[in-house]
Formats: sequence, structure tokens, C-alpha cells
Amino acid sequence: QSALTQPASVSGSPGQSITISCTGTRNNVGSYSLVSWYQQHPGRAPKLLIYEVTKRPSGLSNRFSGSKSGNVASLTISGLRSEDEADYFCCSYAGSNIYVFGSGTKVTVL
Amino acid sequence: QVQLVQSGAEVKKPGSSVKISCKASGGAFSTYTLAWVRQAPGQGLEWMGGIIPYFTTPTYAQSFQGRVSINTDDSKTTIYLELRGLRYDDTAMYFCAGAVTGKEYFQYWGQGALVTVSS
Repeated sequence: QSALTQPASVSGSPGQSITISCTGTRNNVGSYSLVSWYQQHPGRAPKLLIYEVTKRPSGLSNRFSGSKSGNVASLTISGLRSEDEADYFCCSYAGSNIYVFGSGTKVTVL
Repeated sequence: QVQLVQSGAEVKKPGSSVKISCKASGGAFSTYTLAWVRQAPGQGLEWMGGIIPYFTTPTYAQSFQGRVSINTDDSKTTIYLELRGLRYDDTAMYFCAGAVTGKEYFQYWGQGALVTVSS
């Protein structure tokens, strides 16, 4: 399984909305509504943001939302804040207990 | 609340093997799928393989087949990763990650263990 494709970087000003895409294939993103998203600050472990395409863990800000169309999943961050500056990774189930992560996107808050 | 605590940093020579561990606490060990995910310096996350304690044989990413072993010591609620034939590009942070069995997302993460391959 090749890594899912994400843009290397996305930037936005405080208060704006940004969207990060995650492109897979019919063998992973396109076949399963099992895409998750993770936020990672430098030197820290990843943190779950979104699971099963659109669901948020309890207590997570509703500024983070997910969607999927065909082989492409997306993460939208609305009302961008300085603390959102981090790396973001998507992950998809690919069948047979196999997972594949995205290449990662660095979000910069201008 | 499940906690995953990993063993410490390792420095290994090319061609050697490394074995790192991750101890789970705060939940029933058998109800979680545990996996290893690595991150080379400045790079993305890479799923290496996973296992459901007590129940299944491990599943490995194709890129690591033949070089990696994942097993558990159920009495110690610990998962292990052994990587053989180390290469310089195996230098990375290795995370253990946990998912509730049947849920295909990683809700719990260890703190990471840095493995450095150096001559």
C-alpha cells in the first residue's frame, strides 16, 4: 500500500477556514468509511481528531470536521487559531487488518 | 483511560536487531488492537503492523515483511516490536498505538521511542 497523498503544506490566517485533502485509491479510502485524522505538534505523539470520516472524539472542538467523496477524504479546520499550527495526517483502513497513513500536511497560521 | 508507556531510546549498528516494548494499562488488554507506527525524521507516519492480544496473529505492512515481528506478553500487557537487519533509514521514532478492537482508528498513543541506527 502506498501512502495516501496529502498536500505538503496549507496555510491560512486566524479565523479563516482551511481544507486538507487526502487522496487514496479504491483499495483504501474509496472502499471504507474508515478514514481518521490525526494532529501532531512537534515532538509530540499524534492525537486523534476525526474517526470514521466525520466523527469527533468526545470533547474535541467542532472547528474540526471531516468528509469523503470517492477516493478523497478531507479535513476542514474552521476559525483557524494559532494552536492549530501542526502537522496533520490522514489514515485509512485498507482491509485485512492493514492501515495506510497519509504523507502529512504542515498547517501554518499566518 | 488506556495509557501506553514505551521503552527508552536505542542506538544500534547497521545489520543488528532492535526490540522495543509498549506496556498498556487502564483497560482490558484483550479488548484493544495494538499497532506500531514509525516516523522518520521530518517524515510522515508509517503503519508497520498490528495485533489483537490473545486472539490473532500479527498483520504486517508489506514493506516490512520478513524483517519485523510483533508479539505480546499478555501476562505483562505488553506489546513488542522487533526489527531485524537494521539500516540507516530505519532511524526513526517508533510509536505504539491502540484502538478499541473493532474500531479502525488509533485513539491511544505511546510517547514514542527513538531508534538510531549508526555505525
